Amino acid sequence: KAGVTQTPRYLIKTRGQQVTLSCSPISGHRSVSWYQQTPGQGLQFLFEYFSETQRNKGNFPGRFSGRQFSNSRSEMNVSTLELGDSALYLCASSLGSATQSGNTIYFGEGSWLTVV
Amino acid sequence: GDSVTQMEGPVTLSEEAFLTINCTYTATGYPSLFWYVQYPGEGLQLLLKATKADDKGSNKGFEATYRKETTSFHLEKGSVQVSDSAVYFCALAHQAGTALIFGKGTTLSVSS
Repeated sequence: KAGVTQTPRYLIKTRGQQVTLSCSPISGHRSVSWYQQTPGQGLQFLFEYFSETQRNKGNFPGRFSGRQFSNSRSEMNVSTLELGDSALYLCASSLGSATQSGNTIYFGEGSWLTVV
Repeated sequence: GDSVTQMEGPVTLSEEAFLTINCTYTATGYPSLFWYVQYPGEGLQLLLKATKADDKGSNKGFEATYRKETTSFHLEKGSVQVSDSAVYFCALAHQAGTALIFGKGTTLSVSS
């Protein structure tokens, strides 16, 4: 059974550009969450999608957005990139809502974004 | 707001030593508690979890008990191996619809 797949694994962008990251959840999983990991702030929740609807959103500016497709695949987009957006972006999937008791949340290997 | 506090690292141990990584939390209600592990260059893997007070999660020799009275979920292993070297994250989640809230992570380095 394939795990959570994130693409691309590594990318370098210039300040002011935008970036789109993709996540394919485990087959049958309907919930996809995104997290940002940086040395300074640690792991921070960005947003969660369930059945194509955003259910929860973390405390990030509007430059960070996401969506989920009917096949549960998800994308996140960051516009007008800043140096501080350099981070590991992790996608996670689960069967139901990520916060339901008993659900196991599986993480992908992440997308390393460097903004120069 | 909810938060998770982990002991600062790095933790450096010799192989076969006893491991404890402290984790305490602040939250309303009864959150679920988790330990995740991150090996170099990889994503997060669920190590163990507990969903109610006094539950003990265990996996691969690691254990943690959900202590409501002390709001703690300390990770323990009786005999660590070099292969256990990684970053360990304590996290909580509510049933009501919030996301995982992580601690800062503790780096464990085990030498032979």
